[in-house]
Amino acid sequence: DAGVIQSPRHEVTEMGQEVTLRCKPISGHDYLFWYRQTMMRGLELLIYFNNNVPIDDSGMPEDRFSAKMPNASFSTLKIQPSEPRDSAVYFCASSLEGGYGYTFGSGTRLTVV
Amino acid sequence: KQEVTQIPAALSVPEGENLVLNCSFTDSAIYNLQWFRQDPGKGLTSLLLIQSSQREQTSGRLNASLDKSSGRSTLYIAASQPGDSATYLCAVNSGNTPLVFGKGTRLSVIA
Repeated sequence: DAGVIQSPRHEVTEMGQEVTLRCKPISGHDYLFWYRQTMMRGLELLIYFNNNVPIDDSGMPEDRFSAKMPNASFSTLKIQPSEPRDSAVYFCASSLEGGYGYTFGSGTRLTVV
Repeated sequence: KQEVTQIPAALSVPEGENLVLNCSFTDSAIYNLQWFRQDPGKGLTSLLLIQSSQREQTSGRLNASLDKSSGRSTLYIAASQPGDSATYLCAVNSGNTPLVFGKGTRLSVIA
């Protein structure tokens, strides 16, 4: 298995533009997590899914953020409109269980100018 | 709300030294505690998992201990090497819930 695959690796966009981050989890993993990492706040959970259903989105900072998981092999995190304070590294992770056995992707470094 | 704190934020040691990284958490009702390693520009790799009923776990030169009642864990690295340079993150969870992470300790091992 190629692991958790995230795309793009780097994204630079202008304030106000729509940004879509993509994640392909490991086949057979029932859980998918989106985390955001910044120097100030560390790794924060944004949202997680179990069997493609969103379970907890309380970490999504604003209505500008949305996430979908249309099937077991694909998830997206969308920011519309983007703002400079959204600049961070966004990680996707998947697992068989909700509390351990996570496999992380390499992350998407987002820069909003 | 669970909060995880890691001290120190950064650490620089000469090669060969033994070192200890600290992690504390506010809610002692955890299910398990994990230590991860993160290399620059990369994702996180799991190092050790300690279940709430356990006191420690060992893997090679790494030893992690857990004192659940006091809300503390330590990661001991023996005979440090330049290849150990990375950021080490501690994470906890309660039940089958997502991990809550500390901000990490950035370790530099100088040859």
